[in-house]
Amino acid sequence: KAGVTQTPRYLIKTRGQQVTLSCSPISGHRSVSWYQQTPGQGLQFLFEYFSETQRNKGNFPGRFSGRQFSNSRSEMNVSTLELGDSALYLCASSLESGAGEAFFGQGTRLTVV
Amino acid sequence: AQSVTQLGSHVSVSEGALVLLRCNYSSSVPPYLFWYVQYPNQGLQLLLKYTSAATLVKGINGFEAEFKKSETSFHLTKPSAHMSDAAEYFCAVTLSGSARQLTFGSGTQLTVLP
Repeated sequence: KAGVTQTPRYLIKTRGQQVTLSCSPISGHRSVSWYQQTPGQGLQFLFEYFSETQRNKGNFPGRFSGRQFSNSRSEMNVSTLELGDSALYLCASSLESGAGEAFFGQGTRLTVV
Repeated sequence: AQSVTQLGSHVSVSEGALVLLRCNYSSSVPPYLFWYVQYPNQGLQLLLKYTSAATLVKGINGFEAEFKKSETSFHLTKPSAHMSDAAEYFCAVTLSGSARQLTFGSGTQLTVLP
């Protein structure tokens, strides 16, 4: 069974640009969550999508947005990039309910220059 | 609101020695607790989870953790460290019963010395 796939793995962008990251969950998983990992702030929850609807959102500015498609694939977008947005962005997929496991992808390493 | 605190950002042990990584939680209601491991440039892999079924939880790779409500702790242990255990370990908590929205600790980097 294929795992969570995140593309691209590495990305370099210039300050002020926007970026879109993609996440394909495990087949059958309908929930996709996004996290930002930085050395200073650690792992922080961005948002969670289920059935194309955002169910939960972390404490991030509106420049961070996401969406989920009918096949459960998800994208997150960051507009007007800042140097501080440089981070590893992790996507996790899980089943709808229960104390099940969140399966993480390998992440997208975003560098803003 | 819930949170977890991991004591010790870096822990070093000798190969074959006991591994003990500390995690304390803060929660107004019974939490669900998880331990994840992260290898360099990789995502997170679940080691084990506590969901109130049993206080002693056994996970993969010989790791286990004990939920102690009186101490609000969920420390991770392994009797004998292996070189391959060198990685960063994260404790996480959620109140929802699902792993969809996790609050992570700051992580503990484990070094295993030969």
